[in-house]
Amino acid sequence: ETGVTQTPRHLVMGMTNKKSLKCEQHLGHNAMYWYKQSAKKPLELMFVYNFKEQTENNSVPSRFSPECPNSSHLFLHLHTLQPEDSALYLCASSQDKGGGTDTQYFGPGTRLTVL
Amino acid sequence: AQSVAQPEDQVNVAEGNPLTVKCTYSVSGNPYLFWYVQYPNRGLQFLLKYITGDNLVKGSYGFEAEFNKSQTSFHLKKPSALVSDSALYFCAVRDSLIYGNNRLAFGKGNQVVVIP
Repeated sequence: ETGVTQTPRHLVMGMTNKKSLKCEQHLGHNAMYWYKQSAKKPLELMFVYNFKEQTENNSVPSRFSPECPNSSHLFLHLHTLQPEDSALYLCASSQDKGGGTDTQYFGPGTRLTVL
Repeated sequence: AQSVAQPEDQVNVAEGNPLTVKCTYSVSGNPYLFWYVQYPNRGLQFLLKYITGDNLVKGSYGFEAEFNKSQTSFHLKKPSALVSDSALYFCAVRDSLIYGNNRLAFGKGNQVVVIP
């Protein structure tokens, strides 16, 4: 798990707060991902970045705003969240060569609780 | 479209017995298949993947998986389960027919409980 790090590991926020999640990958990969993991549900892909460019936004509400300043760092800015946004947010990275065979490596996640 | 099904919510197995976690998939082209494991309060750890070639794939921690095209399955197996194998296991698929496909379709996961 040291290849992909995430901070903070736990976050409690009110519905009117603004906070940010940070992800950093030390694997030299060119693609980064945000996933949402809720209990008893499949992982939901939120955003994909290739070479710092957003290539996928999976119909995510605008209260989630991603930022990818370089290929090693990925942020998820949060504002005016709802209690149903409480979940484990996972970051992943991969070396995307275009063929679809790359393996995604995950960070430990941020456990978010919205009060 | 690409999807996987993990039909069992929980798999219980006695320590030392063989462990099998089932996964079936649906894709339009050829499948790229992955297994991940998640321990409590941790992220997903990669176990193994099938891209092409030998249908039996060996991975980390003594796990292996068998690709069966006719049954569209990719079941995860371990000959002798350990208590430390108790975790949540995810199967995932990517459709080779979708150009530039970054998206992995995950199953809902199987909780494995190894009983001492």
